Amino acid sequence: GENVEQHPSTLSVQEGDSAVIKCTYSDSASNYFPWYKQELGKRPQLIIDIRSNVGEKKDQRIAVTLNKTAKHFSLHITETQPEDSAVYFCAASVGSGNTGKLIFGQGTTLQVKP
Amino acid sequence: KAGVTQTPRYLIKTRGQQVTLSCSPISGHRSVSWYQQTPGQGLQFLFEYFSETQRNKGNFPGRFSGRQFSNSRSEMNVSTLELGDSALYLCASSLVGDQFFGPGTRLTVL
Repeated sequence: GENVEQHPSTLSVQEGDSAVIKCTYSDSASNYFPWYKQELGKRPQLIIDIRSNVGEKKDQRIAVTLNKTAKHFSLHITETQPEDSAVYFCAASVGSGNTGKLIFGQGTTLQVKP
Repeated sequence: KAGVTQTPRYLIKTRGQQVTLSCSPISGHRSVSWYQQTPGQGLQFLFEYFSETQRNKGNFPGRFSGRQFSNSRSEMNVSTLELGDSALYLCASSLVGDQFFGPGTRLTVL
């Protein structure tokens, strides 16, 4: 069935270091891959996304890479700051054509130590 | 533009009762998706409505249902509540794919 595996479940880095979170999806028809950041007690916030016709996308300190052959996609955060501390979720759309159904990974708790 | 809003923000119910949650999407967004978030299961897809029609459905029992109105506002209903239904229920609206979440409704079933 549809599944998204996310690793690691927790990640602790020093301020200024890079952080990488990896996800694997099962539905080969998936064509939309968003990443969400959720701070404690708040709603998930879309931080970046990538579509299957693109291999990499960057937005300031955040980048996402996609390998459709291997069904892998990753989030890279450079020059981490304490305010990057949160739970990060990857997701993959189910099927092609519309993106109304997202399957989420289990989340990665990122701690950035000052 | 105003963001996605959900009402109520908090609910306490007892087993066997039913509950209705409401979601108002961003103006112009026609798709509304619902998710259940729990510490153990994470974010799980419930269903999606587009132009008043259910377009996608997750693997939840029939006690979970929803609908969408002509103004794109959506409601979800849970009947015969069980303790395991305690969760944060999130809705998200989208225009061309990007889903933006509301603040959620925290449901506690006693």
